[in-house]
This record gives sequence, structure tokens and C-alpha cells, in this order.
Amino acid sequence: DTAVSQTPKYLVTQMGNDKSIKCEQNLGHDTMYWYKQDSKKFLKIMFSYNNKELIINETVPNRFSPKSPDKAHLNLHINSLELGDSAVYFCASSQDSGAGQPQHFGDGTRLSIL
Amino acid sequence: GEDVEQSLFLSVREGDSSVINCTYTDSSSTYLYWYKQEPGAGLQLLTYIFSNMDMKQDQRLTVLLNKKDKHLSLRIADTQTGDSAIYFCAEMDHSWGKLQFGAGTQVVVTP
Repeated sequence: DTAVSQTPKYLVTQMGNDKSIKCEQNLGHDTMYWYKQDSKKFLKIMFSYNNKELIINETVPNRFSPKSPDKAHLNLHINSLELGDSAVYFCASSQDSGAGQPQHFGDGTRLSIL
Repeated sequence: GEDVEQSLFLSVREGDSSVINCTYTDSSSTYLYWYKQEPGAGLQLLTYIFSNMDMKQDQRLTVLLNKKDKHLSLRIADTQTGDSAIYFCAEMDHSWGKLQFGAGTQVVVTP
């Protein structure tokens, strides 16, 4: 009965590879997010989709491409991985994109670039 | 500016009260949140407060908001070892549900 689930939990890969992280929510929410948490635990939003449409696109290299096939899923594809991409990536969802809607987070995907 | 600042570390004895402080700069913030992150886990929403409120209490948690000083605090009564975690303060403005997080406060509870 996991609300926001991400796969994989751990991802170890070499520089230059392309990888994807998947996220699914079963809360019936309209809005989903990707956040990046760096080694100092600082969290920053990357993208947000509301009902499959991109609504937040922060200053993120275009090697990162989110895709939302339906409102319950938001995947993140990363091309040409770099050392600096090593981080924990969190998916989150909220009822809608309005102010005050609490965001519910997944357990994170720990990405390590060798 | 959209900075959210927190002290980085707090040590507290089991059974005492913990107070975690946060300051923010965005005066248009409408909601302020507290999240808890245990080691290796995701973020758990603890509580949140609307900017027209001064205080919100939920069991052992009390949130105080001083909107004039842009200061938010989280008090945990009767702190337990299970409360050891990183606590994040976050603000949200009107636009598109964008959450701005602080750097997190590491709370260590000692017996």
C-alpha cells in the first residue's frame, strides 16, 4: 500500500551512461515532482507535472528529461551521466498544484556515478 | 529572495523538549511545512501551518509562526530516541506548489 514508490532504490553506474528512474503514486493525486538531494542534504526541486503537463522546470541541465505517461507516473531519464549527478532523487506528489497542498515523498533513489 | 535557514545541529536529552528554529525571507509564503527524514528514508510530512495562523498543535508537536519576523519553530515535547532525524523546514508561495527547503537540522536524542 505504498503511496509514492520509486524504482530502483539504489543505482550505481558509470559516467557517460544513460539511466531512468521511475515513480508511481497510488494516491489519486494530480501533481507529481522530482527533487534532488545533494551530499549535504540540501533539497531542490527539479520538475513538476500537473495532470501530465510540465508546470515547473527549474534550472536543470537538459540531460535530464522527465516524462509523465499518465498522472500516476512520473519518470526521470538522465543522459550522459556525470559525477555531479550523484545524489538522492526524490519523487513526490500532491492532490493538485495549488498552494497549501502537502507533498508526499517517496523513499528516494540513491544514484552513484563511478 | 527565497532563502530558508535553519541551524544545522541540535542535541537533546531523552524526555526533554526540542525546539528547532527556521527563518525564511519570502514574504509571500503562504504555507510553511516541517518534514522529518530518518537515515536512508524519504521525507515524512510532520505538520504544516498557514501563514494567517500563529500556532498549531498536533500531539507532541507545536508549531509557532511569527510572520512579522519570518520565524518558524517546531517544538517536540517529551523527545524520544525515535525522534532522532533530520528536520526540514520548507515554505511554499502562491505559485505552482513550489517548495523551498532549508538545509535541515540534525536532531540527536541522547539517553
